[in-house]
Amino acid sequence: KAGVTQTPRYLIKTRGQQVTLSCSPISGHRSVSWYQQTPGQGLQFLFEYFSETQRNKGNFPGRFSGRQFSNSRSEMNVSTLELGDSALYLCASREWTTRTDTQYFGPGTRLTVL
Amino acid sequence: GESVGLHLPTLSVQEGDNSIINCAYSNSASDYFIWYKQESGKGPQFIIDIRSNMDKRQGQRVTVLLNKTVKHLSLQIAATQPGDSAVYFCAENSNNNDMRFGAGTRLTVKP
Repeated sequence: KAGVTQTPRYLIKTRGQQVTLSCSPISGHRSVSWYQQTPGQGLQFLFEYFSETQRNKGNFPGRFSGRQFSNSRSEMNVSTLELGDSALYLCASREWTTRTDTQYFGPGTRLTVL
Repeated sequence: GESVGLHLPTLSVQEGDNSIINCAYSNSASDYFIWYKQESGKGPQFIIDIRSNMDKRQGQRVTVLLNKTVKHLSLQIAATQPGDSAVYFCAENSNNNDMRFGAGTRLTVKP
């Protein structure tokens, strides 16, 4: 199976702009989660989508939003970008079995806000 | 509040030695734990997992130990190699399906 793919890999924006990031999960996985990773902060959970519905949401402002399509592909959007939004944004698709609950991560999108 | 945390932010070992990376958790409801490895420029990669009904689980050169009494998780890497240099994260999952990650430990392997 192909892994999780994210586009674009790198992005440079200026303050006040908006950005849309895309994630394609592993085939057959219906859950997609988004995380923000910054130096010293570790992975901070943004939100999770399952079958086109937001199932969980982290403690981020409303400028961060997402959606999931019927083919399980997901997008996240950040409006009115701030310098502090510079980070690596990771997408993970999730696989449940009777014994495991594992997230598989994509390579991330490195967002730089100038 | 409840959290997942790591004892040490950095760890440096000699090639060939064993490495031990520790993680503390405070949510007693957590029943599933995972270790991830993240190399520079890449997303986290699944290494090994363990359920709360187990104390130990072994993989290829890696062992995860779970001590529920003190809410402690460790990852042991045998015969550490330069390719093991990375940041290692522990993650916990409780009944509400909220996957939470620790801050990470950077492992450096010296040749």
